[in-house]
Amino acid sequence: DGGITQSPKYLFRKEGQNVTLSCEQNLNHDAMYWYRQDPGQGLRLIYYSQIVNDFQKGDIAEGYSVSREKKESFPLTVTSAQKNPTAFYLCASSIKVGIGADTQYFGPGTRLTVL
Amino acid sequence: QKEVEQNSGPLSVPEGAIASLNCTYSDRVSQSFFWYRQYSGKSPELIMSIYSNGDKEDGRFTAQLNKASQYVSLLIRDSQPSDSATYLCAVTKAAGNKLTFGGGTRVLVKP
Repeated sequence: DGGITQSPKYLFRKEGQNVTLSCEQNLNHDAMYWYRQDPGQGLRLIYYSQIVNDFQKGDIAEGYSVSREKKESFPLTVTSAQKNPTAFYLCASSIKVGIGADTQYFGPGTRLTVL
Repeated sequence: QKEVEQNSGPLSVPEGAIASLNCTYSDRVSQSFFWYRQYSGKSPELIMSIYSNGDKEDGRFTAQLNKASQYVSLLIRDSQPSDSATYLCAVTKAAGNKLTFGGGTRVLVKP
């Protein structure tokens, strides 16, 4: 089965702690994205990567970090510098060029709660 | 002004009726338009994409794009209770560019 997996499904963080959210895809997509969704809100882009070993900040990158060492994987670290990290985190991927290049497909999400 | 705007709803629709959702966008160079459906607590799933002016139909769903007026709409015909969800409009400026999402419209289909 091709798709995007995110883990864990639920994550609890203590104040001052860094946590890493996993995102893996086996769709052979070049581009991967991280979004944050707050209750009743749309999605806001945190970081995105269009190629291995390269990534760009989105609209709300402060307090987050990413890496893209493999095409299949795009982990997101929520650092202690992120003051309000409680949210639903969504990973997405897409092909980079050609027909459908901007169509993004989403993983199931990770719900992060700060205790 | 937000880049992509949607009425937050809820839009209440009787079962079997047509649900009409609207989305306006501010950037005239926007090229690609998407509708996603999101059930409560779940991730968004793609319903439709549309790139050129006019209508595009897929089953009970029809997307309508009017670039001159900068709006895109989604019609859901023969609405079912299973259509009750939040519908997200998303826009991108060019292939490979980032998506910008609206806040979503919550739809409630009443039996």
